[in-house]
Amino acid sequence: GNSVTQMEGPVTLSEEAFLTINCTYTATGYPSLFWYVQYPGEGLQLLLKATKADDKGSNKGFEATYRKETTSFHLEKGSVQVSDSAVYFCALKDGGGADGLTFGKGTHLIIQP
Amino acid sequence: DTAVSQTPKYLVTQMGNDKSIKCEQNLGHDTMYWYKQDSKKFLKIMFSYNNKELIINETVPNRFSPKSPDKAHLNLHINSLELGDSAVYFCASSPGTANNEQFFGPGTRLTVL
Repeated sequence: GNSVTQMEGPVTLSEEAFLTINCTYTATGYPSLFWYVQYPGEGLQLLLKATKADDKGSNKGFEATYRKETTSFHLEKGSVQVSDSAVYFCALKDGGGADGLTFGKGTHLIIQP
Repeated sequence: DTAVSQTPKYLVTQMGNDKSIKCEQNLGHDTMYWYKQDSKKFLKIMFSYNNKELIINETVPNRFSPKSPDKAHLNLHINSLELGDSAVYFCASSPGTANNEQFFGPGTRLTVL
């Protein structure tokens, strides 16, 4: 079956630090990959996505590249801000059916001023 | 404009009661979903509907019964609530059954006492 593994948190960084949150996946087909962000008390918002190998998704300074050879989709940001503090979820959708997203367990990111 | 809305936002009830959560999307999407987020933030698909028809039921107890009166609505009715049902329930929608991103509602926090 499909699965997503992401680094455990919480991850605590100082403002302006470089961020990497690792994500690897297992899928039977050719999945699309997503990063979602959940701010405290809110629902999930799509942060970025990639639909095929070597695609790079980017948004709000965050980037992730779909690496088929390493089955990875690591999230990076060059300089984090306090407002980036949230829970980040890596997810995949495999195939064209009405399957739900398969999520990783989430990484809680805390940015200190 | 709210894209995916859920009511209520908070729901506190006693064991054994029956309750419903409503979801509406104004995005014109064909596919809707229910997810459960447990106390450790883990998200798992419960149901998916495409054009008002049930597509996925991921080993959810039959105390949970989704109902889709039309494409824009997917409600979740829960009978005989148990302590373990306490969680945050998210509704989501997507344009179709391809590898599209899903748009999430704000969540309903259910607490069973």
